[in-house]
Amino acid sequence: NAGVTQTPKFQVLKTGQSMTLQCAQDMNHEYMSWYRQDPGMGLRLIHYSVGAGITDQGEVPNGYNVSRSTTEDFPLRLLSAAPSQTSVYFCASSTSGQPRGSYGYTFGSGTRLTVV
Amino acid sequence: KNEVEQSPQNLTAQEGEFITINCSYSVGISALHWLQQHPGGGIVSLFMLSSGKKKHGRLIATINIQEKHSSLHITASHPRDSAVYICAVGSGGSNYKLTFGKGTLLTVNP
Repeated sequence: NAGVTQTPKFQVLKTGQSMTLQCAQDMNHEYMSWYRQDPGMGLRLIHYSVGAGITDQGEVPNGYNVSRSTTEDFPLRLLSAAPSQTSVYFCASSTSGQPRGSYGYTFGSGTRLTVV
Repeated sequence: KNEVEQSPQNLTAQEGEFITINCSYSVGISALHWLQQHPGGGIVSLFMLSSGKKKHGRLIATINIQEKHSSLHITASHPRDSAVYICAVGSGGSNYKLTFGKGTLLTVNP
């Protein structure tokens, strides 16, 4: 299994541009979420989904959109990039049916985004 | 909102030492997670626990629900253990929304 696949790994955007960060998982997990990681702030939840067709806002949702049309995919859209969105973004997945000994969450490898 | 506090923020140890990292949270949780992140690297889940104690190799995680406190222990530390260790909690009956501590940077010198 590939786990959680995030693309791209690096991206530079100009202020005002839009883009989509891709996230896909092949573990049939119902829960997926997006986090951003900033120095001194720790990881913060942007948006999350508890199943296909269901999404909700996290702690820092402004400037981002998500959709969940399939169980596998959970893309994050930046509508109009701003320098404040310069960060490292992580996608993660989990399931309520945790097998014994489960580690809980599987994270993607991250996307380092710079907005200039 | 659950507040998650980790201590210490930075920790330097000599190879072979016993390491303890602490995590406290403010409200009841559904589960607590310990994560590891190497510099410039991805995030790996080490433990998910809601009670008691778990062990995986040289790593041990404990949680005290009444005191809202968890500890991560590393026995016989090694330079390859050098990383940021992050505590996260799922609260409000859901394990799909995590609140994170700011992490503990561990450096193990040979």
